[in-house]
Amino acid sequence: EAGVTQSPTHLIKTRGQQATLRCSPISGHTSVYWYQQALGLGLQFLLWYDEGEERNRGNFPPRFSGRQFPNYSSELNVNALELEDSALYLCASSFVMARETQYFGPGTRLLVL
Amino acid sequence: QKEVEQNSGPLSVPEGAIASLNCTYSDRVSQSFFWYRQYSGKSPELIMSIYSNGDKEDGRFTAQLNKASQYVSLLIRDSQPSDSATYLCAVPRYGGSQGNLIFGKGTKLSVKP
Repeated sequence: EAGVTQSPTHLIKTRGQQATLRCSPISGHTSVYWYQQALGLGLQFLLWYDEGEERNRGNFPPRFSGRQFPNYSSELNVNALELEDSALYLCASSFVMARETQYFGPGTRLLVL
Repeated sequence: QKEVEQNSGPLSVPEGAIASLNCTYSDRVSQSFFWYRQYSGKSPELIMSIYSNGDKEDGRFTAQLNKASQYVSLLIRDSQPSDSATYLCAVPRYGGSQGNLIFGKGTKLSVKP
């Protein structure tokens, strides 16, 4: 069974640009979560999507946004990139009734110059 | 008190020894607890979950939970160099109702041959 997939693996942008990151969940999972792992800060929750709706968001500014498509894949958009947005962005998925059991994809490493 | 706390390490053990990793959490309503392993430059991999007080064994791994003390631990028996990684403890926020997991900052384990 295929795991969570993410693309691209690496992304280099400059300050002020926009970044788009993509995630496909494990087959059968409808919930998708986005986390940021910046150096020294640990994993921080960004967003939770289920059935196409945003269910919860973490303590991040509105320039972090996303969506979930009918096939349950998801996109994370980061507008007006800042240097401190450089991090590993991780997508996880779960069954909605077992949302605490989350499986992570390989991540997208974003570097903002 | 931080929501999920772990000793950052590094924890160094010789090959074949038992590695003991500890985690404390603040949310008394938490009912499920997770251990992830993260190799350097990779994404977290779910290795253990535990829901009831006591021990849960899976191969060389044993998770121990004490809800009264708000303490969960992971023991790795017969440690191997391939176990060298950062181990993350995770707890669902507000019992899972918010969707996201709260992660500790992780304990870095080094197993010396």
